[in-house]
Amino acid sequence: AQSVAQPEDQVNVAEGNPLTVKCTYSVSGNPYLFWYVQYPNRGLQFLLKYITGDNLVKGSYGFEAEFNKSQTSFHLKKPSALVSDSALYFCAVRDWGSGNTGKLIFGQGTTLQVKP
Amino acid sequence: EAQVTQNPRYLITVTGKKLTVTCSQNMNHEYMSWYRQDPGLGLRQIYYSMNVEVTDKGDVPEGYKVSRKEKRNFPLILESPSPNQTSLYFCASSSTSGHNVQFFGPGTRLTVL
Repeated sequence: AQSVAQPEDQVNVAEGNPLTVKCTYSVSGNPYLFWYVQYPNRGLQFLLKYITGDNLVKGSYGFEAEFNKSQTSFHLKKPSALVSDSALYFCAVRDWGSGNTGKLIFGQGTTLQVKP
Repeated sequence: EAQVTQNPRYLITVTGKKLTVTCSQNMNHEYMSWYRQDPGLGLRQIYYSMNVEVTDKGDVPEGYKVSRKEKRNFPLILESPSPNQTSLYFCASSSTSGHNVQFFGPGTRLTVL
């Protein structure tokens, strides 16, 4: 069965420090992987995706993610965190098990708290 | 502006009183989907639609209905809401020709008393 796991409910980091939000996946077929961010009282916003190609993917707001096939991971990273990065982050994978439906499977979310 | 809109944004209702949450997108997307978000559970898909008049169940369809009579609209219907349907609901859309980047609406917070 396809699945996504975000092992940390919350990540705390000081402003200016690097941040990592972890994601591991299990999927049959090619892994199409996504990161979304949710700010308070807002819908989810797309950050970045991995479909194929370079393992390091760059996205919006200075975020990047590293695809690691052997570890089945897709961790979200940023070299220098900002207080405004504080939000809820979701990792998602395309569900090939549902055929060509475009369905995404989401992790449970990780709250990122950046302190001044 | 390309967007997905949902209405209402907030709704408090009572058990058994039928309600509809509307969803509309202006990007000519074929694919639309409804999710519910509950703490610790992430987003779970309720129903999805691949195109007009084509809908199918997601992971948690019980107690919900949808329709897709027009490409831009995908309403979510709760015929007889119950307290366990208290949740935050999101509508999303995407093109089926892209790599499934889904665009999300702002969410509808529903409370069923």
